[in-house]
Amino acid sequence: NAGVTQTPKFQVLKTGQSMTLQCAQDMNHEYMSWYRQDPGMGLRLIHYSVGAGITDQGEVPNGYNVSRSTTEDFPLRLLSAAPSQTSVYFCASSYAGPPYEQYFGPGTRLTVT
Amino acid sequence: RKEVEQDPGPFNVPEGATVAFNCTYSNSASQSFFWYRQDCRKEPKLLMSVYSSGNEDGRFTAQLNRASQYISLLIRDSKLSDSATYLCVVHSGGGADGLTFGKGTHLIIQP
Repeated sequence: NAGVTQTPKFQVLKTGQSMTLQCAQDMNHEYMSWYRQDPGMGLRLIHYSVGAGITDQGEVPNGYNVSRSTTEDFPLRLLSAAPSQTSVYFCASSYAGPPYEQYFGPGTRLTVT
Repeated sequence: RKEVEQDPGPFNVPEGATVAFNCTYSNSASQSFFWYRQDCRKEPKLLMSVYSSGNEDGRFTAQLNRASQYISLLIRDSKLSDSATYLCVVHSGGGADGLTFGKGTHLIIQP
């Protein structure tokens, strides 16, 4: 049981490049989400999904796309990277109902130059 | 609007001491409360849930004060391994997307 896995662990992009951050979970969780964590800002929700084929925007969705074709996978796409997207990105999963305990992946450290 | 507020610290505490910190929340309709622990350069992990009647797990005690809208975390007999950032998390309705994370309190246990 691997839990929540994320790849890559580190990534450096140039402004304007695109890339996809991968996230997978093997706990059969309905709910998956992406957060970014910046110094002094705490965790902010980017996008989330309550099941395959269903996605919705969180607090800071601009510049990111997601899709949920399977229960297990929830990739995050950066369409045209900007320096403001330099951050640590965490994927999380949980059951859709209470108690809403979130299981986080190990994170992806992204730098955009 | 700051929905969940925490003192960022750092709290520098000698090993073996007792330390406590609070977290205030602004939404009086909030129903569920949690403390997460985050080690340096690692992902957050659930430490404990906070129930209306309080919750104790070994050296850790969490309490909820609905009237004053804050939750607290008390750590007794602190260990070096308790050094981490402690995130307060509040669920204010809806599904799992209704979670709001505080910015965290940084705790350093000194030998």
